[in-house]
Amino acid sequence: DTEVTQTPKHLVMGMTNKKSLKCEQHMGHRAMYWYKQKAKKPPELMFVYSYEKLSINESVPSRFSPECPNSSLLNLHLHALQPEDSALYLCASSQVSEEPYEQYFGPGTRLTVT
Amino acid sequence: LAKTTQPISMDSYEGQEVNITCSHNNIATNDYITWYQQFPSQGPRFIIQGYKTKVTNEVASLFIPADRKSSTLSLPRVSLSDTAVYYCLVGDMVGSNSGYALNFGKGTSLLVTP
Repeated sequence: DTEVTQTPKHLVMGMTNKKSLKCEQHMGHRAMYWYKQKAKKPPELMFVYSYEKLSINESVPSRFSPECPNSSLLNLHLHALQPEDSALYLCASSQVSEEPYEQYFGPGTRLTVT
Repeated sequence: LAKTTQPISMDSYEGQEVNITCSHNNIATNDYITWYQQFPSQGPRFIIQGYKTKVTNEVASLFIPADRKSSTLSLPRVSLSDTAVYYCLVGDMVGSNSGYALNFGKGTSLLVTP
């Protein structure tokens, strides 16, 4: 199984809502990632988890709160978002340090903030 | 992270070989060169990775000259389904036990027509 699953596929939320994005993989990968991608732009790294611990935070606003409850799951909790946060949110996973250095991406969650 | 430069867009006809060149003049000794493919509204997909010389897999070839300041992704006999954005990434994948960040550049939008 080389699949990364993400739920929901689409999400519409108001600026006062609290919602969560979920990502799951069963490849035994111990590194997991969140990326944000705006239309016609490349993906931008948000967070990296390694062995269930946050290892990289690319200065992401606190209204985005990641969580890695176990080695297979990665969540992104959303609160008080702004319309400019509307984007495709991509989750990825990989071996921590093993060739090939390949990240497996999920299909993404299309988020619209109204 | 090394900066990469690649053409914004390329056009090709079905059945032709497509070569996309990426410039990475300040590549570091430990850096690997990796290419990803992305279709609209999907997550990027790993294509190929190399450190030096030539790498070939069932999908593509990657040519890396001795100075490693550039690389060329070669797609043999493209089809309509190869229409996508292709990203060249350069970075130190080994690092520590903290996963590794992918720094996506602007990518090359390839359009394949009949």
